[in-house]
Amino acid sequence: ILNVEQSPQSLHVQEGDSTNFTCSFPSSNFYALHWYRWETAKSPEALFVMTLNGDEKKKGRISATLNTKEGYSYLYIKGSQPEDSATYLCAVSGRSQGNLIFGKGTKLSVKP
Amino acid sequence: DSGVTQTPKHLITATGQRVTLRCSPRSGDLSVYWYQQSLDQGLQFLIQYYNGEERAKGNILERFSAQQFPDLHSELNLSSLELGDSALYFCASSVDPGQGTGNTIYFGEGSWLTVV
Repeated sequence: ILNVEQSPQSLHVQEGDSTNFTCSFPSSNFYALHWYRWETAKSPEALFVMTLNGDEKKKGRISATLNTKEGYSYLYIKGSQPEDSATYLCAVSGRSQGNLIFGKGTKLSVKP
Repeated sequence: DSGVTQTPKHLITATGQRVTLRCSPRSGDLSVYWYQQSLDQGLQFLIQYYNGEERAKGNILERFSAQQFPDLHSELNLSSLELGDSALYFCASSVDPGQGTGNTIYFGEGSWLTVV
């Protein structure tokens, strides 16, 4: 059974700050790591899917890295904007199961 | 818009009642997943269907059941409802069964269930 941990639980930053969050998971049976951005009353929005050790993905000011050997992924936001305020969810799928196991998320608040 | 449609968006019902939540996956997606988001809990996986057949089961109570129909839409049935069943129920879909693939899983906006 995969157990996914995210830290910090919440984060308050000023507009323009760069920030990063961590997602940790057991490396056994790992296949893919997914990052989602979730605003209340909306559907979780898929940001990245990564499978290979050393993977790096970028979407605008948001980027992510993956280390499958040590079991962690980082999500970076460069120059945070108020519209980046959301909960960022990390999820992992395994080789033997396709469903996602989610962490509890990191809630980001960006003050103007 | 993820392309995954869930109805109803909000539902209030009494303890002991039964409700049905409905999900239409993205066009072309064969897998449907159901998740429950309770207060202070992460998204908990309930059940997955692929092309009409149950594929994987998670922390789904015996009072809950689901099915996927030939047109690929899915329904989650919740019966003998208790106060603790109040939660946000998400449906998600993907094109394949998910094992050993890196395809994106797309989520709907969820159905808010309040049991009073």
